[in-house]
Amino acid sequence: EADIYQTPRYLVIGTGKKITLECSQTMGHDKMYWYQQDPGMELHLIHYSYGVNSTEKGDLSSESTVSRIRTEHFPLTLESARPSHTSQYLCASSEGRTSGGADTQYFGPGTRLTVL
Amino acid sequence: QKEVEQDPGPLSVPEGAIVSLNCTYSNSAFQYFMWYRQYSRKGPELLMYTYSSGNKEDGRFTAQVDKSSKYISLFIRDSQPSDSATYLCAMSESGSARQLTFGSGTQLTVLP
Repeated sequence: EADIYQTPRYLVIGTGKKITLECSQTMGHDKMYWYQQDPGMELHLIHYSYGVNSTEKGDLSSESTVSRIRTEHFPLTLESARPSHTSQYLCASSEGRTSGGADTQYFGPGTRLTVL
Repeated sequence: QKEVEQDPGPLSVPEGAIVSLNCTYSNSAFQYFMWYRQYSRKGPELLMYTYSSGNKEDGRFTAQVDKSSKYISLFIRDSQPSDSATYLCAMSESGSARQLTFGSGTQLTVLP
């Protein structure tokens, strides 16, 4: 079982609040990812990181920001939450393979965010 | 057009049935093909992965890739109620990019 953790698991918050979703992994993986998943829809990559101090935006435009100060930690921040941010947010990590097999991603349990 | 298409279902089968889940894709550069299983209110977990074309078997699960048709399948034999979940296909190119592109998932219910 993958050792990747997300907190909180559920969050209900009012519009305009600043929130940070936490993600930590203990596998020493270089790459980390944030996905957004709505019911019945595919996972959309919103941010990823190749390593410490490296972050990139994903395919889906997002008003969130991320940081990667430590290998094991990849928090996602929304400065001002809106109802359109209501979704499930999934964090994942991978070794960062560039050859010799698939770069398997391991997922955390997710944070279900509701913005009122 | 989406890069990866997956029938969303829902799919409901009796216990013991053989289940076939499928995805089609348009990017001929995809080399790695994966199936993830996602239980309700949990994150996806890797079930199987295959490289290029061919079959791979793991217990009751068989993954098939047909690159000529850009079509992948996951077969579940002797399905169990515990197999009830959403199944997501995912694929990636080789090389340094290696980002995964996911299908939208097929929701499967196995009835006891």
